[in-house]
Amino acid sequence: AQSVAQPEDQVNVAEGNPLTVKCTYSVSGNPYLFWYVQYPNRGLQFLLKYITGDNLVKGSYGFEAEFNKSQTSFHLKKPSALVSDSALYFCAVRDIYNQGGKLIFGQGTELSVKP
Amino acid sequence: GAVVSQHPSWVICKSGTSVKIECRSLDFQATTMFWYRQFPKQSLMLMATSNEGSKATYEQGVEKDKFLINHASLTLSTLTVTSAHPEDSSFYICSAAYNEQFFGPGTRLTVL
Repeated sequence: AQSVAQPEDQVNVAEGNPLTVKCTYSVSGNPYLFWYVQYPNRGLQFLLKYITGDNLVKGSYGFEAEFNKSQTSFHLKKPSALVSDSALYFCAVRDIYNQGGKLIFGQGTELSVKP
Repeated sequence: GAVVSQHPSWVICKSGTSVKIECRSLDFQATTMFWYRQFPKQSLMLMATSNEGSKATYEQGVEKDKFLINHASLTLSTLTVTSAHPEDSSFYICSAAYNEQFFGPGTRLTVL
């Protein structure tokens, strides 16, 4: 079965410091991995994805993620956090056995960036 | 591009009534749309996969007769919550697939 896990319910970071939101995955075959951000009472916004190619993926709003096959991880990172980055972050993997591209989401990590 | 809208953004209804939520892909055609349910500060729970012109595929444990899904065109899918009860109160989010999934802004349903 395919799955993703976000081991931290909450991450607290001071503004200006680097941030990392962790994600590990379990898939058979090559993973299609995604990061989404959700602001309160809003839908999900796409940040970035990994399909193939460079292990370091750059996305929206200065975020990037590093695909690590040996550690089966896809951690989201940003060199300098902003207060406006405070939101709920979801890692997801595409279910390759579903033709429609069903996504399997992690539990979510609440990021809080304090001034 | 790749904008998905939902209507209404919030709705309050009485117990026993039915509520229809629309999901539209505004600038692309989507043969597949997904409907999710989300409880506060929790992950998204996939309810069903909606394919244009065919019956929706429901996830295990989701009542087909309670959550009616219609995907009448390549840009519109609707979710109707029939005979709504307070436990149906939730945040409902749709997405439309075009290479990857693009999400609507969500609909907050409150059943009194």
